[in-house]
Amino acid sequence: EVQLVESGGGLVQPGGSLRLSCAASGFTFSSYAMSWVRQAPGKGLEWVSAISGSGGSTYYADSVKGRFTISRDNSKNTLYLQMNSLRAEDTAVYYCASGGVVGATRDYMDVWGKGTTVTVSS
Amino acid sequence: EIVMTQSPATLSVSPGERATLSCRASQSVSSNLAWYQQKPGQAPRLLIYGASTRATGIPARFSGSGSGTEFTLTISSLQSEDFAVYYCQQYNNWPKTFGQGTKLEIK
Repeated sequence: EVQLVESGGGLVQPGGSLRLSCAASGFTFSSYAMSWVRQAPGKGLEWVSAISGSGGSTYYADSVKGRFTISRDNSKNTLYLQMNSLRAEDTAVYYCASGGVVGATRDYMDVWGKGTTVTVSS
Repeated sequence: EIVMTQSPATLSVSPGERATLSCRASQSVSSNLAWYQQKPGQAPRLLIYGASTRATGIPARFSGSGSGTEFTLTISSLQSEDFAVYYCQQYNNWPKTFGQGTKLEIK
């Protein structure tokens, strides 16, 4: 069964840091791009970042560029999101999602995790 | 950045009837358009990709159409489990962008 399980969320003060993880199973992790998507309370979906299957290419939304870093460890089938200089507006549920096409980066998001909640507040 | 605009924001339809949801892109995204369904407290689920291809396990009552800048998601005969929020998303250009969502509610 294809599965994505996020972890690492929690309460952090403004200006603080947090690292999210996403453990993947049931598919060839290194063959697919991976993304992070977030959803602020009561709001819609916002794409945050993506990384190619090899990890050699990364992409960011302007709202997080320079503060967040996406990475992956294909030997551990795990995706990461390092979040620094956190702001109140980063408060959201963060979902990881896998791409749907082998080798593609600009593709749809096929499988989603259940999400992990990040709250930025003093 | 490509702006995706969905209409209407809320759609009230009776079970068994047809629902038509629209999505417009601020510039052409070719057929690189996906639709997702999200129920309260759940993660989004992929319904349609490539503007018109149903994802694995998605019932045939869901269909997508369009290309370029105008797209439509049609649900032919609404079931109780279809009442949810629907998002379109373009993946033709970076950043990938979502529409603001259409809430499909029971009339």
